[in-house]
Amino acid sequence: ETGVTQSPTHLIKTRGQQVTLRCSSQSGHNTVSWYQQALGQGPQFIFQYYREEENGRGNFPPRFSGLQFPNYSSELNVNALELDDSALYLCASSLDRGNTEAFFGQGTRLTVV
Amino acid sequence: AQSVSQHNHHVILSEAASLELGCNYSYGGTVNLFWYVQYPGQHLQLLLKYFSGDPLVKGIKGFEAEFIKSKFSFNLRKPSVQWSDTAEYFCAVLVYGGSQGNLIFGKGTKLSVKP
Repeated sequence: ETGVTQSPTHLIKTRGQQVTLRCSSQSGHNTVSWYQQALGQGPQFIFQYYREEENGRGNFPPRFSGLQFPNYSSELNVNALELDDSALYLCASSLDRGNTEAFFGQGTRLTVV
Repeated sequence: AQSVSQHNHHVILSEAASLELGCNYSYGGTVNLFWYVQYPGQHLQLLLKYFSGDPLVKGIKGFEAEFIKSKFSFNLRKPSVQWSDTAEYFCAVLVYGGSQGNLIFGKGTKLSVKP
């Protein structure tokens, strides 16, 4: 186990709805990164949070947003869900912004119908 | 643009066979390379990483990888696979934007080991 926990494990939403995914980082880690893993693909970087601030973003639209809390846990919010948002969403925590060693959670499987 | 290519989508081997999974990257900065493994139903876990020094890197579970700078490659090897190595393997490069680093992953190689 990595000490990174994500909830929920599975989720089904309807197109147009909004969703919030949660991640509890490993103890002592102040950096959380989120990745989207579509079926048959490798994980793609969405954004990173460091000490409650967004600290870098991949090629994802603004309807993907996040938060990081004082205890370094994090949320990923997706508005106006589209069918293509169906994927495994992975959270990774690390000791530093450089992400020299990232520990991944088991992911949340989101299905948009 | 930074990218990682994994040549094989699905590899099927018998137990005790040798394994080599190809990985090529495209990145102009300092190269930090990783191999992650994802067992069925489990989280991504780190097999090994290369930051600097000896280009032959040893990881967990008998895996090793060789960084060849001139070929922009970081191939994963194991001399003798076991059924329990059945999993998906991802090669990744760490890219930096300012103070932030994030991983660029390849599409993965699914390994099936027949008992």
